[in-house]
Amino acid sequence: NAGVMQNPRHLVRRRGQEARLRCSPMKGHSHVYWYRQLPEEGLKFMVYLQKENIIDESGMPKERFSAEFPKEGPSILRIQQVVRGDSAAYFCASSPGTNTGELFFGEGSRLTVL
Amino acid sequence: DAKTTQPTSMDCAEGRAANLPCNHSTISGNEYVYWYRQIHSQGPQYIIHGLKNNETNEMASLIITEDRKSSTLILPHATLRDTAVYYCIVRASGSARQLTFGSGTQLTVLP
Repeated sequence: NAGVMQNPRHLVRRRGQEARLRCSPMKGHSHVYWYRQLPEEGLKFMVYLQKENIIDESGMPKERFSAEFPKEGPSILRIQQVVRGDSAAYFCASSPGTNTGELFFGEGSRLTVL
Repeated sequence: DAKTTQPTSMDCAEGRAANLPCNHSTISGNEYVYWYRQIHSQGPQYIIHGLKNNETNEMASLIITEDRKSSTLILPHATLRDTAVYYCIVRASGSARQLTFGSGTQLTVLP
């Protein structure tokens, strides 16, 4: 399967722990987007990255959240000191460039904070 | 990017065509209309996009009015697996901005 791969698919953390979500884009794609979907709510943009660069992080909470997309390896969304309100589905998408609105989404990582 | 307006929900009988409308009256000349859908708990799926001409692919057809202020996504023969939330999104070509998902239309295909 050459699609966008996200792992883990399900993650359970206790309040105060750290969560790391990984996203491997489709082959040949150098642009990664992270979206969050709270229960019974719509998709909200968080951050847009290219290799080694954060292009737009206007949707990222100011504290505890960070994202990276290193030269080698997957993109990582990191949530420090998780709280119950962080419980959500986190979707990653990739595209080959900015000249397209056709994004390819992964199946998401579902974070549950106890 | 222009804002879009969609009905909250729609029903369609299995085997019939599903016509999902979208209003984007403030669309600019360089903005495309994109359609995505999200089947329950899955990642969103790209369906189709267009600028001014009608478009068709293996999944659906997109009809854009001449003034480009509205469009309709057509699923020609809806199946139960087409039950999903359908999002109409307007975005400028070449824009580095992210796609903004609204509330979409919950399409329920009935047996």
